[in-house]
Amino acid sequence: NAGVTQTPKFQVLKTGQSMTLQCAQDMNHEYMSWYRQDPGMGLRLIHYSVGAGITDQGEVPNGYNVSRSTTEDFPLRLLSAAPSQTSVYFCASKGLAGSGLYEQFFGPGTRLTVL
Amino acid sequence: GENVEQHPSTLSVQEGDSAVIKCTYSDSASNYFPWYKQELGKRPQLIIDIRSNVGEKKDQRIAVTLNKTAKHFSLHITETQPEDSAVYFCAAKVPNTGFQKLVFGTGTRLLVSP
Repeated sequence: NAGVTQTPKFQVLKTGQSMTLQCAQDMNHEYMSWYRQDPGMGLRLIHYSVGAGITDQGEVPNGYNVSRSTTEDFPLRLLSAAPSQTSVYFCASKGLAGSGLYEQFFGPGTRLTVL
Repeated sequence: GENVEQHPSTLSVQEGDSAVIKCTYSDSASNYFPWYKQELGKRPQLIIDIRSNVGEKKDQRIAVTLNKTAKHFSLHITETQPEDSAVYFCAAKVPNTGFQKLVFGTGTRLLVSP
């Protein structure tokens, strides 16, 4: 299994541009989520999904859209990038680990800079 | 909503010493508390977790304790090694959410000096 994958690893945007951060998992997990990580602020939940066709907002959803057309993919769209969206973005999926309990697995992250 | 506070923000210890990181949470109904380790430039990885039906859990050199009455939980690392150097995050699961909606602390940067 590749686990949780994200593309791109790095991205630089100009203010006002739009783009999509890709996230995919091959573990057949129902639950997926997007976090942003800023210095001194930990990880904050942007949007999440409990299954294909179902999404909901997290703590900081403004300026971002998501969709979940398949179990595997959960893209995050920035509609009109702003400097305040400069951050590291992590996608995560939740499913059964080897322990038999549910665990959240993170992707490698996307470092986004908005100029 | 749930709020998680984490202390200290930085912690420096000598190799072989113990390290303790503390977190408090606000919602007494929270029932799941994971700890993540994030090495520089890497993704967060779960290292240990505890559920509200137990007070302590150990896994080799790491342990987590939970005090439900005081609403705080702590990570204990014994016999620290340089490879323990990383940022550690605590989290609490928001109650009554089927999805594992976690609220994270702001992180503790642990530096273990040889």
